[in-house]
Amino acid sequence: GQQLNQSPQSMFIQEGEDVSMNCTSSSIFNTWLWYKQDPGEGPVLLIALYKAGELTSNGRLTAQFGITRKDSFLNISASIPSDVGIYFCAGLSTSGTYKYIFGTGTRLKVLA
Amino acid sequence: SAVISQKPSRDICQRGTSLTIQCQVDSQVTMMFWYRQQPGQSLTLIATANQGSEATYESGFVIDKFPISRPNLTFSTLTVSNMSPEDSSIYLCSVDSGQGADTQYFGPGTRLTVL
Repeated sequence: GQQLNQSPQSMFIQEGEDVSMNCTSSSIFNTWLWYKQDPGEGPVLLIALYKAGELTSNGRLTAQFGITRKDSFLNISASIPSDVGIYFCAGLSTSGTYKYIFGTGTRLKVLA
Repeated sequence: SAVISQKPSRDICQRGTSLTIQCQVDSQVTMMFWYRQQPGQSLTLIATANQGSEATYESGFVIDKFPISRPNLTFSTLTVSNMSPEDSSIYLCSVDSGQGADTQYFGPGTRLTVL
């Protein structure tokens, strides 16, 4: 079945640093979503991408839909302590049924 | 974006019992979904809740264990039946954006612990 691998699995960074994470698959996807989940909360949608090559920003966050449609990237600039959490990518399945496949997650920890 | 609420927010249950989780949306939506998130893991789709028809279950999930109701376009329930400790997870309801764009919004989740 379709799977999404995220890397890195976890990362510690200093406050103010930029962060990059990615999501890759052996299958193509038509839509990519990026979410952030805080402890005890549901995932919150950060950015949605609908076209190969698309680059979209939301404040300090920038995400790109890979040209091959098999990957996506999320960058966070000038990280702050509240960026701590787990980031998930999700791809809209092309297998025929309408459903999203979620990535394995990247756990971000920011050192003040 | 839709505002989604879930009840209960958390519960501790005994083995062998059942729990019904409610999901309420503040607007009519076409599609509602139920996910499971086991401790420290990603999200796994349980089923799509279809209004007016039986839910569509993913591989590994069956109706007898996870019966779902969808009586209207703003409400759905998921029941976790005959619970065991392995059912301890966060259960999340989500909805599609309903605005012609493929996006999903999530409720706050129900944290279930089975003793």
